[in-house]
Order: sequence, then C-alpha cells, then structure tokens
Amino acid sequence: GENVEQHPSTLSVQEGDSAVIKCTYSDSASNYFPWYKQELGKRPQLIIDIRSNVGEKKDQRIAVTLNKTAKHFSLHITETQPEDSAVYFCAASNENDMRFGAGTRLTVKP
Amino acid sequence: DTGVSQDPRHKITKRGQNVTFRCDPISEHNRLYWYRQTLGQGPEFLTYFQNEAQLEKSRLLSDRFSAERPKGSFSTLEIQRTEQGDSAMYLCASTPLRAFFGQGTRLTVV
Repeated sequence: GENVEQHPSTLSVQEGDSAVIKCTYSDSASNYFPWYKQELGKRPQLIIDIRSNVGEKKDQRIAVTLNKTAKHFSLHITETQPEDSAVYFCAASNENDMRFGAGTRLTVKP
Repeated sequence: DTGVSQDPRHKITKRGQNVTFRCDPISEHNRLYWYRQTLGQGPEFLTYFQNEAQLEKSRLLSDRFSAERPKGSFSTLEIQRTEQGDSAMYLCASTPLRAFFGQGTRLTVV
C-alpha cells in the first residue's frame, strides 16, 4: 500500500518568513495530493490540493509543487502569520484509499 | 460546517466493553473513510467504503474492529472488547475526491 513520509516533524519560523514542508510517497498510482491544516482539538481542514497532471498550484500565500518522477510534493507558505501555526498533514491518494503523513507542527513566532 | 457528522463526540468506556460510532457523510459522497488519530500523529487509515462495499481494510484493523455501510449512506465502526490502546480520536471523512472530515469521536478506554 501507499506510504507517505513527511518532513520536518516540527518547524519554527519568524513571522513574515516562508515555510516549506516536504512529503514523499511510494505508490506511483497515487494521483491526488491534498494538504490539511489541523488546529488543536479541531478536525483536519483541506487547505490546498493538487492532481498528478499539474506540477504546481497556488492559492494566495499557499502553493504546492509536485514532482511525479521523484514522487515528492511540497507545501510552501509565504509571508507566514501567527495564525498559520498548526499541524499540517500531506496525503496521497489513488482510486482506493488516502494515506497521510505524520504531520508537521508549524510555529510562527511574532 | 463541512456536512460530515459523527456521533458521539466523546465516549468513555471501560476496558472490555463494546463501542459503536456513527458517521453521516455528505449525502452525495460515495467514498467514506475511517481513520484513527492519536495525539501528535497523522490520521492512520483504517478502512474505506465505495458506496456500501468495503474495499480496503488496514492491517491495523484487528478482528475486534468492524465497519459497515449498509445502504451506502451512513457508516458505523464497532470496536469489541475495547483495550486501553484503542483510546484515540476516530475520524470519518467522505469524498468524491476532496475528503472532508467529521469532528471525530474521541474514545477514552479506562
């Protein structure tokens, strides 16, 4: 089955700096890659996603890149704000299931 | 509100008891996932339904766990003879592609 690795496990940045979180996946059949943000005590919320026929997608301060050949994808957050502090999860999905990375705890210091 | 609801929100049970959780997905979503999440970890895949068919089941899911989706709408997850290690947040997500999570059921086995 699919195996998703996520790095780093914790990330601390200064407000206004950029944050990058990286994930790798194992199943070449995976074709959909969402990113979720989870605040303490709340459910994971979808923030951005990308399909395998696209190499990059951007939504305001958030962007995701995908390298299918290398089987890795990344989340980029620019101009970070304290409210970006949360745990971020990547996931990889094929037609049958969706597997998550272990998460990255992002702290944005004011 | 994403439209995926789970019941109950919290469950405290004694070791050895059986528990059942319910998930009501967004009505037009044919795929339904169950995940387990422990503190500081990403959601762990448990099982997946396409309509009423259970298509995949994680090796994590021992024979004490069973899930059903009898009419392709709501789903139930039952844990028999609960153990302390079953204490976790149990999350349900539904999707045609983008997965939306319910609030989860937090199980505490004492």
